[in-house]
Amino acid sequence: GQNIDQPTEMTATEGAIVQINCTYQTSGFNGLFWYQQHAGEAPTFLSYNVLDGLEEKGRFSSFLSRSKGYSYLLLKELQMKDSASYLCAVMDSNYQLIWGAGTKLIIKP
Amino acid sequence: IAGITQAPTSQILAAGRRMTLRCTQDMRHNAMYWYRQDLGLGLRLIHYSNTAGTTGKGEVPDGYSVSRANTDDFPLTLASAVPSQTSVYFCASSDSDGGLNEQFFGPGTRLTVL
Repeated sequence: GQNIDQPTEMTATEGAIVQINCTYQTSGFNGLFWYQQHAGEAPTFLSYNVLDGLEEKGRFSSFLSRSKGYSYLLLKELQMKDSASYLCAVMDSNYQLIWGAGTKLIIKP
Repeated sequence: IAGITQAPTSQILAAGRRMTLRCTQDMRHNAMYWYRQDLGLGLRLIHYSNTAGTTGKGEVPDGYSVSRANTDDFPLTLASAVPSQTSVYFCASSDSDGGLNEQFFGPGTRLTVL
């Protein structure tokens, strides 16, 4: 079966760095996406990885290792507005997204 | 319209009633999707459409139907609602003709079936 695993909840301090991990087992791989979802709102796109390595976008970076079925999202210089759920999704061989349940990130002052 | 809109924003529905959730996008994206999101679970694909005139079943299609008469609209119909269909429903679209294939989401419809 297809499976995406990520921690249910994480807590971090404003100004710090946090790493959210995602492991996956899917039928085929056509890229991995990270989305941010604030409570009561729609998911919004953060990053995309299809090749191994690190993609950096301002305060956010995403890493992929296809051989390990592993990705992480790194958030630096945390701000209170970063409190949200972070969703990991893998595009499978049928070009459909398989979604993890999301990681709720709580930022404390 | 800018992006994707969904209607209604929320709805309380009696079990057994028929309900259509509306979704419209103005980005001329060829692909559209319907997901449901339940607490503790990832987004689950209900139905999708790769292009106008075609539809396909996702992970959880039972009890739902869709149509794609044109590029912009992708309504989701619950023929006879049941309490297990209580959920938040998101419509999304993407330009799947090469490129990133990033999905853009509508604001969601919160549906409660009693």
